[in-house]
Amino acid sequence: DSGVTQTPKHLITATGQRVTLRCSPRSGDLSVYWYQQSLDQGLQFLIQYYNGEERAKGNILERFSAQQFPDLHSELNLSSLELGDSALYFCASSVVASGGFGEQFFGPGTRLTVL
Amino acid sequence: AQKVTQAQTEISVVEKEDVTLDCVYETRDTTYYLFWYKQPPSGELVFLIRRNSFDEQNEISGRYSWNFQKSTSSFNFTITASQVVDSAVYFCALSEAVSSGSARQLTFGSGTQLTVLP
Repeated sequence: DSGVTQTPKHLITATGQRVTLRCSPRSGDLSVYWYQQSLDQGLQFLIQYYNGEERAKGNILERFSAQQFPDLHSELNLSSLELGDSALYFCASSVVASGGFGEQFFGPGTRLTVL
Repeated sequence: AQKVTQAQTEISVVEKEDVTLDCVYETRDTTYYLFWYKQPPSGELVFLIRRNSFDEQNEISGRYSWNFQKSTSSFNFTITASQVVDSAVYFCALSEAVSSGSARQLTFGSGTQLTVLP
């Protein structure tokens, strides 16, 4: 158990709909990262938040948005869903240790199926 | 731009064989970090190892060993005496140095599906 929690575990919805994925980082971790894993694109970085602020953006569609709340949990919002959005969405968290780099620990993922 | 290449899409071995998973990376940074993650059939991503760009010492952890060669931009992963439980997808990943107190995002390779047959 990495200590990162994600809900829900599975989500099935229809095209055009909007969903929200939730992530709670490990206790004390300030950074949250969202990744998408799909068959055609592989594992891709979407977006990073650090202590409530957006820190980096990857290949995130305009239909997708995210935020990190004061309690450090994060939500990824996916709207106007298309069949191609079906994927496994991972959240990861990390904290930078005094010696330098902090490993990213991944949650169990949310499997989104768009029908 | 960063890039990680795992040329082996699928590898199949018989239990107790040794197997090496290849990883080649590209980056313009002088300080970077390399990782291996394991994704078993259950789907979660399990952290295996991190290596700093300035530390080329090879590492061994039980049946696992890693060979980092900066000269060839490679970070290969060897499993000795493979077991059925090693069957999983293995990802190599690369990250730039820490920025403003937070770790940077990971760039993943496409993964290698390892199947260990009994």
